[in-house]
Amino acid sequence: GAGVSQSPSNKVTEKGKDVELRCDPISGHTALYWYRQSLGQGLEFLIYFQGNSAPDKSGLPSDRFSAERTGGSVSTLTIQRTQQEDSAVYLCASSFGMGLTDTQYFGPGTRLTVL
Amino acid sequence: AQSVTQLGSHVSVSEGALVLLRCNYSSSVPPYLFWYVQYPNQGLQLLLKYTTGATLVKGINGFEAEFKKSETSFHLTKPSAHMSDAAEYFCAVLKTSYDKVIFGPGTSLSVIP
Repeated sequence: GAGVSQSPSNKVTEKGKDVELRCDPISGHTALYWYRQSLGQGLEFLIYFQGNSAPDKSGLPSDRFSAERTGGSVSTLTIQRTQQEDSAVYLCASSFGMGLTDTQYFGPGTRLTVL
Repeated sequence: AQSVTQLGSHVSVSEGALVLLRCNYSSSVPPYLFWYVQYPNQGLQLLLKYTTGATLVKGINGFEAEFKKSETSFHLTKPSAHMSDAAEYFCAVLKTSYDKVIFGPGTSLSVIP
C-alpha cells in the first residue's frame, strides 16, 4: 500500500470494555511498532514485531494490553477492560529492515477515548 | 536509563528567522539519534537521523542537526523558518540497534507571519 494505515481513526468506548486497534503496515516491511501518545506526554514505545514474533514486550503498560501479528503483515493491539488512563493516540509504524535504526514510517494513529 | 530532554515545550519564531530546537540525551555510549516531525492530525515523519559518521546530518525540508558528544546534544536547526514548519517536533534516541526507541516530550513550533 501507499503507507501505513490504521483503523479505526477514532474510537470512543466505555470504561471496562475491550477494544481492538488495527495496523496495516507498508507491504514488504518486516518490522512493525506500536507507540502510545498521551496528551502532554511524549511517545511511549509499547512493542515491536520482527515478522510475527515480538522480541520485546516490556513496553506494554499492563497485562491488559496485548498485541499480535499474523502472516507478517497486519497487527492488532488489544486493550482489555479499558481504563480512562488508556485514552491516547495509538500510533503504528513499520520499517523495511531488521534493526530499529531503519526508517520507521508512521500511520496517522487511532485516537482512543475511554469514557 | 536512557532519557531525552527537549528544552522548551513551545517555541515561537518569526517567518524567516532561525529555528533552533534543543535536544539532549543521557547515554553512556554514543547512541543513535533521530528527529521526527508531526504535522497536525498526521503521523510522525522522520526528518533526519544520526547513526555513525558525519556529525552534521542534513534532513528533509532544509533541517539539519549536529551530534555533539561532548555536550550530549542533538539540536535541530533550520536557517529560515517557513509557515509550513509549524508542527510538533520529537527528538528520539536509541542506544543500540535492537533497543527501544525513547522519544522526548516534544516541542511545538509556531511560526509567526
